[in-house]
Amino acid sequence: SQTIHQWPATLVQPVGSPLSLECTVEGTSNPNLYWYRQAAGRGLQLLFYSVGIGQISSEVPQNLSASRPQDRQFILSSKKLLLSDSGFYLCAWRGLAGGLSYNEQFFGPGTRLTVL
Amino acid sequence: RKEVEQDPGPFNVPEGATVAFNCTYSNSASQSFFWYRQDCRKEPKLLMSVYSSGNEDGRFTAQLNRASQYISLLIRDSKLSDSATYLCVVNPYAGNNRKLIWGLGTSLAVNP
Repeated sequence: SQTIHQWPATLVQPVGSPLSLECTVEGTSNPNLYWYRQAAGRGLQLLFYSVGIGQISSEVPQNLSASRPQDRQFILSSKKLLLSDSGFYLCAWRGLAGGLSYNEQFFGPGTRLTVL
Repeated sequence: RKEVEQDPGPFNVPEGATVAFNCTYSNSASQSFFWYRQDCRKEPKLLMSVYSSGNEDGRFTAQLNRASQYISLLIRDSKLSDSATYLCVVNPYAGNNRKLIWGLGTSLAVNP
């Protein structure tokens, strides 16, 4: 079966500090990978998606970046965090899984980031 | 018009009640639809997929009305554990599209 891991679960960072969030997927190969952010009381905002190693599409201009150094690893980074970067960061994967269609996305447990 | 629209609620219902949510979408070419459930401070989890006219899974029924461009989620015999936010999600393109369009969610509270 497929599993998706994210860490850390919770993070408190000062403004201006760097950020690195990691996501790994097990049990599938060549998945599409996604980073979303959910601000308090708001909907999911797609930040980045990747269809393969080294292939990143950015959805929203911001001070965040993403990288995919390995097939099942997706990293979200920032050089300098802003207060507005606070939120719930979710990694998701999409691919063939147990007979389900290609369109469903499955989420990791998320990282709750607070920037102070 | 928003790409995916949901009534934010909250819907407050007693245990055992039947409750229905509607979700409208703007792109008539949309091919597939999903309902996700999100508990407070947790990740969204897939509840149902809808690829044709509808889908049923136990107490949950999703129905698609392409002519009116909406999908509905019906929950029968509500349980306390059904309290959550229900997200309507649309795949707006045919074929192997990579992005989904997410609604803002409908909040449900099932009361004892």
